[in-house]
Amino acid sequence: QQQVKQSPQSLIVQKGGIPIINCAYENTAFDYFPWYQQFPGKGPALLIAIRPDVSEKKEGRFTISFNKSAKQFSLHIMDSQPGDSATYFCAASIEETSGSRLTFGEGTQLTVNP
Amino acid sequence: SAVISQKPSRDICQRGTSLTIQCQVDSQVTMMFWYRQQPGQSLTLIATANQGSEATYESGFVIDKFPISRPNLTFSTLTVSNMSPEDSSIYLCSVARDSSVLGYEQYFGPGTRLTVT
Repeated sequence: QQQVKQSPQSLIVQKGGIPIINCAYENTAFDYFPWYQQFPGKGPALLIAIRPDVSEKKEGRFTISFNKSAKQFSLHIMDSQPGDSATYFCAASIEETSGSRLTFGEGTQLTVNP
Repeated sequence: SAVISQKPSRDICQRGTSLTIQCQVDSQVTMMFWYRQQPGQSLTLIATANQGSEATYESGFVIDKFPISRPNLTFSTLTVSNMSPEDSSIYLCSVARDSSVLGYEQYFGPGTRLTVT
């Protein structure tokens, strides 16, 4: 599987801050980029996703920024809350040929302090 | 989205034994997948469970160790065979559903936490 590199490994912010998690990929054939949120003891939950034909997508407090030329994408969490404390995974897939087989980044453990 | 259940939610097994994990979805889906997540680590795809045919395994995973069944469009099982402590992990079932906007969106079950002693 092609790699997806995620950083930072862990992140601590104060309530109201804007944590930013970054991912970089190698395979230019990737055409679907989701982000997942995982709480301890739970399965990953789909948070937001983007295709490479747009540079930004917002859903509530979550924003994906996508830079196709740099092969990078990032997750921004506006007005972060303690309830956002979780592990976040970026992922990528080639929809047409791999039928949603996701390649995941290493994960970022986010802590939002009150 | 999709409502996915897995059984068992957790188990402690002895080395050399086998465990079968069940995954049930609330409606028919074309694609089902099995992932492994070792403690504190990311997710690794084990195989794609194909309805009516053999599963498609990723590099490093073989059918003899992880046999998979997919008897219909709402159910799949993963067996972890001849277990060793290295198989201690969380096993996750996922399904892909066509969102008609972004293409297929993938949803995960709650996972099965396996400990092999």
